[in-house]
Amino acid sequence: GENVEQHPSTLSVQEGDSAVIKCTYSDSASNYFPWYKQELGKGPQLIIDIRSNVGEKKDQRIAVTLNKTAKHFSLHITETQPEDSAVYFCAATSGGADGLTFGKGTHLIIQP
Amino acid sequence: DARVTQTPRDKVTEMGQEVTMRCQPILGHNTVFWYRQTMMQGLELLAYFRNRAPLDDSGMPKDRFSAEMPDATLATLKIQPSEPRDSAVYFCASGFHNEQFFGPGTRLTVL
Repeated sequence: GENVEQHPSTLSVQEGDSAVIKCTYSDSASNYFPWYKQELGKGPQLIIDIRSNVGEKKDQRIAVTLNKTAKHFSLHITETQPEDSAVYFCAATSGGADGLTFGKGTHLIIQP
Repeated sequence: DARVTQTPRDKVTEMGQEVTMRCQPILGHNTVFWYRQTMMQGLELLAYFRNRAPLDDSGMPKDRFSAEMPDATLATLKIQPSEPRDSAVYFCASGFHNEQFFGPGTRLTVL
C-alpha cells in the first residue's frame, strides 16, 4: 500500500516569512495529492490539491509543487500570518475516489 | 454552506458498551469515508462507501467495528464491544471524485 512521509514535524517561522512542508510517497500509481489544515478541535480542512498531470498549482498565498519522478510534493505558504498557525497534513491516493493515506502532520507555528 | 455533520461530538463510555457514531454527508456527494485520528497513528482510513455500497473496510477491526449506510443521508459507524484502545477522534468525510470534505469529528473516550 501507499506510504506517505512528511517533514518537518514542527516548523516555526517569523510572521511574514515563507514556510515549506515536504512529503514523499511510495506508490507510483498515486495521482491525487491534497493538503489539509487542521485547527485545534476541528476536522481537517482541504486547502489545496494537485493532480499528477500538473507540476504546480497556486491559490493566493499557498502553492503546491509535485515531482512525479522523485515522488515528492511540497506545500509553500508565503507571507505567513498568525492565522496560518495549525497542523498541516499531506495525503495521497491512487485515483478514483479511494481513501487517502496521510502523512503524520506538521505543526506550523507563526512567531509574531 | 454545505457541511458534513457528525453526532455526537463527544462520547464517553465504559469498556464493553456499544457506541454508534452518525454522519450526514454533503448532499450530492457519492462517496463517504470513515477515518480515525490518534496521536500515535495519526489519520487512518477505516472504511468507505460509494453510492452507499461498501468498497473497502480493511482498516477496521472486523470483530468489533461495523459501518453501514442505510440511506444517502446517513452513514453509521458502530463499535461493539468498545475497548479503551478505541479512544480516538473519528472523522467522517464525504466527496465526489477525488476531493474529500471532513466533518468536525466525534471524540470517543472509552474508560
